Amino acid sequence: RKEVEQDPGPFNVPEGATVAFNCTYSNSASQSFFWYRQDCRKEPKLLMSVYSSGNEDGRFTAQLNRASQYISLLIRDSKLSDSATYLCAVNRGSNYQLIWGAGTKLIIKP
Amino acid sequence: NAGVTQTPKFQVLKTGQSMTLQCAQDMNHNSMYWYRQDPGMGLRLIYYSASEGTTDKGEVPNGYNVSRLNKREFSLRLESAAPSQTSVYFCASTKGSTSTEAFFGQGTRLTVV
Repeated sequence: RKEVEQDPGPFNVPEGATVAFNCTYSNSASQSFFWYRQDCRKEPKLLMSVYSSGNEDGRFTAQLNRASQYISLLIRDSKLSDSATYLCAVNRGSNYQLIWGAGTKLIIKP
Repeated sequence: NAGVTQTPKFQVLKTGQSMTLQCAQDMNHNSMYWYRQDPGMGLRLIYYSASEGTTDKGEVPNGYNVSRLNKREFSLRLESAAPSQTSVYFCASTKGSTSTEAFFGQGTRLTVV
């Protein structure tokens, strides 16, 4: 089993819909959690950090479920420009090693 | 404000050749990282440098060496390239530990034939 797992998708979603995906992690000592966005053939960029209390930024909401060891990302009122691959990253307990999921591909259709 | 700059963007090597990937950041970050990204595998850490003067192995260090030349620069060297090292390589930096945002370079697409 991988340390960090994501559904690879693709998730094909109509514009304006709400979509959610999860990322499970196996190391219960992990303390830092992130969602990054990666456009095709580009570098990853931070979308949002995930805090224990959850985190909301406009149409995006991230949550952490420590008991079940997963983080989630919810996108409301999806836009064509949201089409991308969403990577989750979890630290291993060491402060300098992030473990990355393979990414979930999201395609927003008109 | 350039952020993290990687060179080259593309490279084709023959098996056994060597090359160095260059990375520089202008954000005064302490920590720098080299990752490789392969389809279906996610980003995997090759080496990292928590601070100037230190380097440590990551998840997949075999076949690679690194040099933290100064606070700004962190290079990755392939001494004898193998087809298994065909990948996209990303350099990244963080202000401190990985509890803070990582900034990435644009990536190097390396093909070893």
